[in-house]
Amino acid sequence: GIQVEQSPPDLILQEGANSTLRCNFSDSVNNLQWFHQNPWGQLINLFYIPSGTKQNGRLSATTVATERYSLLYISSSQTTDSGVYFCAVERTGGGNKLTFGTGTQLKVEL
Amino acid sequence: EPEVTQTPSHQVTQMGQEVILRCVPISNHLYFYWYRQILGQKVEFLVSFYNNEISEKSEIFDDQFSVERPDGSNFTLKIRSTKLEDSAMYFCASSSSQYEQYFGPGTRLTVT
Repeated sequence: GIQVEQSPPDLILQEGANSTLRCNFSDSVNNLQWFHQNPWGQLINLFYIPSGTKQNGRLSATTVATERYSLLYISSSQTTDSGVYFCAVERTGGGNKLTFGTGTQLKVEL
Repeated sequence: EPEVTQTPSHQVTQMGQEVILRCVPISNHLYFYWYRQILGQKVEFLVSFYNNEISEKSEIFDDQFSVERPDGSNFTLKIRSTKLEDSAMYFCASSSSQYEQYFGPGTRLTVT
């Protein structure tokens, strides 16, 4: 099956700092989504971004499908950004199931 | 904004008991999914459902599991005889096409 790797696995930031999270995948995809898992375990949709760039407030994402990676940018981080960030992909021709990466655990400190 | 809902939020059951986890997908969506996340691990696909039948299932989804859309709004996951290793967070998701999926808040299942 498709492999999805995320880096870094853990990240600690001071409030106000910027960060970049990376997602690499091993095959062509027709769906890529970024999620934030909050401390209560809920998966919050951040972006649906199989290609191109999108921005939503302090967050933005870029997917370069031809090079098989996606980046999630967090600017001016806040303590509420803490949690786990997952990238999930649907392989082209692989049915409509999402394969999740192992996540990046982010902690934002005051 | 429409959202996927799940009940209960937390279910505690004894080993060997049957459980039914319930989901109400977004109303105009046609594709439905169940995923699970064992504590501290990544989210794993269990099953997808379209046009009243299973379209794909993972190797995790064995004979102990079943899904059903009993009416026009609910989508259920049944575990016939729970095991300790079934303890996990179970997420329901839905989509209007074969692309962006919207996830519910999850049901935390604890098997004792």
